[in-house]
Amino acid sequence: DIEMTQSPTFLSASVGDTVSITCRSSQDISRYINWFQQKPGKAPNLLIYGAFSLQSGVPSRFRGTGSGRDFSLIINGLQPEDFATYYCQQNYVTPWTFGQGTKVQIK
Amino acid sequence: EVHLVESGGTLVQPGGSLTLSCAASGLIFSESRMTWVRQAPGKGLEWVANINGDGSQTNYVGSLKGRFTIFRDNAKNSMYLQMSSLTAEDTATYYCAKVYIAKEPGGLADFHFYNIDVWGTGTTVTVSS
Repeated sequence: DIEMTQSPTFLSASVGDTVSITCRSSQDISRYINWFQQKPGKAPNLLIYGAFSLQSGVPSRFRGTGSGRDFSLIINGLQPEDFATYYCQQNYVTPWTFGQGTKVQIK
Repeated sequence: EVHLVESGGTLVQPGGSLTLSCAASGLIFSESRMTWVRQAPGKGLEWVANINGDGSQTNYVGSLKGRFTIFRDNAKNSMYLQMSSLTAEDTATYYCAKVYIAKEPGGLADFHFYNIDVWGTGTTVTVSS
């Protein structure tokens, strides 16, 4: 199975900050990575697919980068509604696997 | 608008069985690949299984294969997850979700990205005596 190693586990930031979350896959997955946002008690929400394609309706402050094994989710100018947990997920091959998650907290 | 509603989650004893349901609306269900993802309390997301539109192709996470079965009834716009030999480790919120295949031009071949783009609200399974 492909392992997705996400970091950091926790991230403290302020409104307006730019933050970056990284995800490394255990093997080359080309662009087959998605990023999700999950708020407490809610289902995840797809933000980015194909490493850097923005899902419809998602604000442009969310940006994905990377290819191969190393990927990042960048949030430019954190908004109050962005404090949540973020997950990467590979869909290169089944079983699809998720990173451990990054909780973005208010500093 | 696509709407997915899970049901069937409950308290079940270890070793027991349970079948979860997912009712879909607002989409051409028979053309939609579907999936189950679960989340143990306070933990991360775990993909469980997926199924193609006509039910002829299924995939599972290895650790659950043999105990869990995904299937669908397109006449009822519904998908199911049959679970057996349940243990405490199966305690989780189970999400039903739709998979959209996004195609983008590539170099030698086009990309086919499998996007879990619509989720239900989840149903909770608790395995405990």
